[in-house]
Amino acid sequence: KAGVTQTPRYLIKTRGQQVTLSCSPISGHRSVSWYQQTPGQGLQFLFEYFSETQRNKGNFPGRFSGRQFSNSRSEMNVSTLELGDSALYLCASSRDTSDTGELFFGEGSRLTVL
Amino acid sequence: AQSVTQPDIHITVSEGASLELRCNYSYGATPYLFWYVQSPGQGLQLLLKYFSGDTLVQGIKGFEAEFKRSQSSFNLRKPSVHWSDAAEYFCAVFTGGGNKLTFGTGTQLKVEL
Repeated sequence: KAGVTQTPRYLIKTRGQQVTLSCSPISGHRSVSWYQQTPGQGLQFLFEYFSETQRNKGNFPGRFSGRQFSNSRSEMNVSTLELGDSALYLCASSRDTSDTGELFFGEGSRLTVL
Repeated sequence: AQSVTQPDIHITVSEGASLELRCNYSYGATPYLFWYVQSPGQGLQLLLKYFSGDTLVQGIKGFEAEFKRSQSSFNLRKPSVHWSDAAEYFCAVFTGGGNKLTFGTGTQLKVEL
C-alpha cells in the first residue's frame, strides 16, 4: 500500500504570496489531518477533514485554510504569507473505521518564506 | 485541556546502552497514547500505541513502552540502542473528537558510537 504522499516536498515563497500544499492519503483512508512543525512551537494541529467536511480546527488565523476532495485528497492553502509561516507542514491520514488517533504521516512539505 | 510533557529535550546514549524516554500526560481519563519517531527531514513514523489492556506494549524496531496510570506516564524504552535510532521522538495523546493528536515537544536522541 502506498503511504501518504505530499507535494511539493520543498518550496520557497516570498512574503505576501500564497501557497497550496497537496496531500494524498493512504488508499481507503478518509480522514486527513494537517500539522505545522516549527522549532519554536513544535507540532501544532491545523485542521482535520473527514469525508470532505472539516471536523476539527486548530488555533490558526484564517489565512490558513484547507479542503478535501471526494477522493479524500486534501489541500491546504496559506494566503498572505508571513516569515513565521516557514515550517514543515505534515499531512496525516487515518482509517475511517473508528477514531483512534492513529495517524500515518507523509514526509511533509517544507515551506520557506523569504 | 489535555497536555503532554516530555521533560528531556536532548538525550545522549552510547550505542548498546539502554534507553528510556519520559512522557507524562495530563487528562482526566485514560487517553490513547502514542510514540512517534522522526528522522531528519522526514515525517513521523508510528513506533507504538496504547489503547487499553496490557500496560506494556511492544512496538517496531525493538521499542516498548509502559503505561502507568498512577503516574500518568507512558515512557518509551529500548534495551540496546543502535546508532540508527538517533532521531527525534514524540509522545502524543488522543482524547477523542476526531483524529486530533496533542504532541509533546519531543526528545532529540543522540547515539554515541
